[in-house]
Amino acid sequence: QVQLQESGPGLVKPSETLSLTCTVSGDSITSYYWSWIRQSPGKGLEWIGYIYHSGSTNYNPSLKTRLTISADTSKNHFSLRLTSVTAADTAVYFCARLTGVNAFDIWGQGTMVTVSS
Amino acid sequence: DIQLTQSPSFLSASVGDRVTITCRASQGISRYLAWYQQKPGKAPKLLIYAASTLQSGVPSRFSGSGSGTEVTLTISSLQPEDFATYYCQQLNDYPPTFGQGTKVAIK
Repeated sequence: QVQLQESGPGLVKPSETLSLTCTVSGDSITSYYWSWIRQSPGKGLEWIGYIYHSGSTNYNPSLKTRLTISADTSKNHFSLRLTSVTAADTAVYFCARLTGVNAFDIWGQGTMVTVSS
Repeated sequence: DIQLTQSPSFLSASVGDRVTITCRASQGISRYLAWYQQKPGKAPKLLIYAASTLQSGVPSRFSGSGSGTEVTLTISSLQPEDFATYYCQQLNDYPPTFGQGTKVAIK
């Protein structure tokens, strides 16, 4: 079955860059849209953005100036890069598959990222 | 952004109870609404999409209805494994947004 697995550092210093990768198994990222979503106690669930295999992206306007999402079809994974992080970026980060019915049907287990010096 | 407000934010219920959760949108969302269940330490799980279509493998005691600015999730007979937090999510317009969640606890 389709599985998603997030990976990356659990601790990032303020003002530095948060980088995460989502590895997809059981499906090709050349299908569907692939998203990042985060969850924090203060802001609940927040959609970060998505990428399509063609390279087209769509970002949450609230994060757009700091955000890059990219994909590597040869490795079947996609990545998140968020610059100039602050404590407000502390959250559990999930990757998820976005289907044509506008819902997120497959999620990774999530990875906790803390922004702290 | 479209704001989604769930009510109630918390409810306590017993096994076998019928439970209804409402999600109200700040503007019309047609039927581009999904419902998720989340248990502690786990990722959200898709239950319903397009307001009323049951995701494959989800028990039939879950149902969704409504459109426009108000949609509901109903659990016809609450089971022990249903105690969790439920979220609505819209994608009528970008960015996708989520409700604040409804925690269903054991009475």
